[in-house]
Amino acid sequence: AQKITQTQPGMFVQEKEAVTLDCTYDTSDPSYGLFWYKQPSSGEMIFLIYQGSYDQQNATEGRYSLNFQKARKSANLVISASQLGDSAMYFCAMREGGDNYGQNFVFGPGTRLSVLP
Amino acid sequence: SQTIHQWPATLVQPVGSPLSLECTVEGTSNPNLYWYRQAAGRGLQLLFYSVGIGQISSEVPQNLSASRPQDRQFILSSKKLLLSDSGFYLCAWSFHGRQSYEQYFGPGTRLTVT
Repeated sequence: AQKITQTQPGMFVQEKEAVTLDCTYDTSDPSYGLFWYKQPSSGEMIFLIYQGSYDQQNATEGRYSLNFQKARKSANLVISASQLGDSAMYFCAMREGGDNYGQNFVFGPGTRLSVLP
Repeated sequence: SQTIHQWPATLVQPVGSPLSLECTVEGTSNPNLYWYRQAAGRGLQLLFYSVGIGQISSEVPQNLSASRPQDRQFILSSKKLLLSDSGFYLCAWSFHGRQSYEQYFGPGTRLTVT
């Protein structure tokens, strides 16, 4: 079974609008972390935001926020005020377990976001 | 601040030839290190990770190997490349012992096996 599901292969958003990229995950471990990465056409993976399973509040980093709904096992990324430079592939990832070296890091298939001028 | 380097950026190699990709991290000590492969249009697959010098764990059995001869150096190798080894190879690091364990990636190496 897929541990990370991203159901939107491609998304379009108008510049300056907000967009939500969906991510659902599957784990039975009570301790886990959720991450979002951005991969522009250059190929480098850029870390955007992190949410721990025990965090009470949704994570925010500038224009990025993570809408964490634990009961639904959902960790959607919200990008506010989209910019042309936001056009890229976006990957949701999960680390299972709280006491390891990060090797249990699983990535979703990604969503390609295109920002329209 | 920390920096991660990978080279070469691109590589075209014939089937059956050897491979050596190098990754180095600056600005931190005793990092956890990772090698990933990304097939075209796909997500990332973890190949190897290392928590210290000489300590390598393999996630996927294949004709690739990894070594960590120095604290901040991670090398991906193959004795004989296969066509299926083509892809985008990414090295990453994370802080040792940091709870969030977010990983920071290098610029990647695009490998084409012909």
